[in-house]
Amino acid sequence: GAVVSQHPSWVICKSGTSVKIECRSLDFQATTMFWYRQFPKQSLMLMATSNEGSKATYEQGVEKDKFLINHASLTLSTLTVTSAHPEDSSFYICSAPFISGRAENRNEQFFGPGTRLTVL
Amino acid sequence: GEDVEQSLFLSVREGDSSVINCTYTDSSSTYLYWYKQEPGAGLQLLTYIFSNMDMKQDQRLTVLLNKKDKHLSLRIADTQTGDSAIYFCAESIRDTGRRALTFGSGTRLQVQP
Repeated sequence: GAVVSQHPSWVICKSGTSVKIECRSLDFQATTMFWYRQFPKQSLMLMATSNEGSKATYEQGVEKDKFLINHASLTLSTLTVTSAHPEDSSFYICSAPFISGRAENRNEQFFGPGTRLTVL
Repeated sequence: GEDVEQSLFLSVREGDSSVINCTYTDSSSTYLYWYKQEPGAGLQLLTYIFSNMDMKQDQRLTVLLNKKDKHLSLRIADTQTGDSAIYFCAESIRDTGRRALTFGSGTRLQVQP
């Protein structure tokens, strides 16, 4: 099956610094990727849709200037948390829909393993 | 907007069947999914069902969909301790083809030996 990787898997940073998280589709191309955030004991909430070659689409309440998204290529999307604060500590997960000749109508998505961000 | 709800916790004995329930509100959902998340880990797709199906079985997993009541369930037969995890149901969003998912709050399944 299709594989999505994330890097780093975990990061600890000081308040005020910026952190970049990478999401890669390893064996398929993804013109669209999704970024989710999961706080402890809560569900995944969609933050933004990353679009290759165009601007990301942000969900209501998500600050686009704080969470910078760059879809640099068909296999890479990056999320940069700028001037991170302790309330940004969370589990960030990306996903990419995989469309094949067989599965094009299945809306099958593959999730990365997640990145745990802790801001001190 | 879309809303997906689940009960928060389920405890069963090893060997029993587990049934995890989910309700959703978006009648235009195309696909409904069940994901498993173990502590500190990402999401593992367990199974999915297309909205024109009533039931899907995959080994120990049985998914039932009642589209009229917008109710989805996941039955795990012969539940094992390794099944202990959080289970999320999710639906696809029908909005300009973005295909992002809306997740339920998750059900924590605890399997007692």
